[in-house]
Amino acid sequence: GQNIDQPTEMTATEGAIVQINCTYQTSGFNGLFWYQQHAGEAPTFLSYNVLDGLEEKGRFSSFLSRSKGYSYLLLKELQMKDSASYLCAVRDSILTGGGNKLTFGTGTQLKVEL
Amino acid sequence: KAGVTQTPRYLIKTRGQQVTLSCSPISGHRSVSWYQQTPGQGLQFLFEYFSETQRNKGNFPGRFSGRQFSNSRSEMNVSTLELGDSALYLCASSPSRDRTLSYEQYFGPGTRLTVT
Repeated sequence: GQNIDQPTEMTATEGAIVQINCTYQTSGFNGLFWYQQHAGEAPTFLSYNVLDGLEEKGRFSSFLSRSKGYSYLLLKELQMKDSASYLCAVRDSILTGGGNKLTFGTGTQLKVEL
Repeated sequence: KAGVTQTPRYLIKTRGQQVTLSCSPISGHRSVSWYQQTPGQGLQFLFEYFSETQRNKGNFPGRFSGRQFSNSRSEMNVSTLELGDSALYLCASSPSRDRTLSYEQYFGPGTRLTVT
């Protein structure tokens, strides 16, 4: 099975940089995902890491260390609209029949203030 | 390209009843996954269907079931509803082809189920 931990809440200032951490313990691993979810809306895909290192996509970057079971999502030049819940999710290994099964953390509620 | 659609968007049922929710994936997507989201447990995987076959199953009781049709549309059914089944039910579609996995999973808007 999978166990995923991320902070419950974070607060940051508009224009600043924030890093949301995620640690996981897994019996199999085939990729780590970050999703953004605004209140009352569906989660939207932000990033995917399957190999160690940093993936950059505009204002968002995601890092993965498989040996440490650790990932972070970095948000730069924060905007008010970035206030949302950020979900870390791990996909099971193909070898354990993972398919597209994602195990989600409980999410980090980010509040961006002026 | 139309996104993932789910019907109905809102539903109120009584304990003991059964309910069927529907999900239409993005055109061309053959994988459909279902998730339950509650404030206490977060997003939890229910099951995944690919080419009309259940490929994965989460840790939910047998009251939760699903199926997929030849056009990739999927339904999930919950029988003998309990108060704890009140949740947002989300489906996600993916363009997985055969056993090749795609990292793209697109979520629908969800069905908000309230059990009274």
